[in-house]
Amino acid sequence: AQKVTQAQTEISVVEKEDVTLDCVYETRDTTYYLFWYKQPPSGELVFLIRRNSFDEQNEISGRYSWNFQKSTSSFNFTITASQVVDSAVYFCALSPRFGNEKLTFGTGTRLTIIP
Amino acid sequence: EPEVTQTPSHQVTQMGQEVILRCVPISNHLYFYWYRQILGQKVEFLVSFYNNEISEKSEIFDDQFSVERPDGSNFTLKIRSTKLEDSAMYFCASSRAAGANTGELFFGEGSRLTVL
Repeated sequence: AQKVTQAQTEISVVEKEDVTLDCVYETRDTTYYLFWYKQPPSGELVFLIRRNSFDEQNEISGRYSWNFQKSTSSFNFTITASQVVDSAVYFCALSPRFGNEKLTFGTGTRLTIIP
Repeated sequence: EPEVTQTPSHQVTQMGQEVILRCVPISNHLYFYWYRQILGQKVEFLVSFYNNEISEKSEIFDDQFSVERPDGSNFTLKIRSTKLEDSAMYFCASSRAAGANTGELFFGEGSRLTVL
């Protein structure tokens, strides 16, 4: 069985601060994908990143960066110099490499950026 | 850029009524999915559909639910007799992979269902 844990239910930071959202996962698969999605107040799911379990390189995209540590089964997400538009619920998710592309989502972290 | 489209964006219905939510997946995709998100909770898998049949379903997907691909483009979720607890956002998704996944799963913008 697959499981994704996002222990932080809510985080508030002041604009321009850096913030890290934690994600820990469990899977018996040796190969898998990890994802982060953003859900703004409008409700849609916005894809942010997909990571193949073979690739442990950290990734940076603008103010966003991801730290994948297979040894600790974690895939953390950092927003640098946060902005009010970053306020949203962020979901971490996991899917198998083979078979059904079924995503298992974490419970989400509600991030509020205070102006 | 191709996208998954869903209709309606919001539907309000009375308890006990039948509801059909519609999705148009990306045209060359092979796998289709429905997910559900009750307000304030996590997104949960309902069902996957491949080669004109259900490939996997969750325990949420009971006999009240059904899916269909009535033509070459639409993928529908039907709830036969809605209950209050069916109120949620329903997301359709599609992917082109079969077997060896690419991890490329495309979500629609969701259909919000409110059962009164």
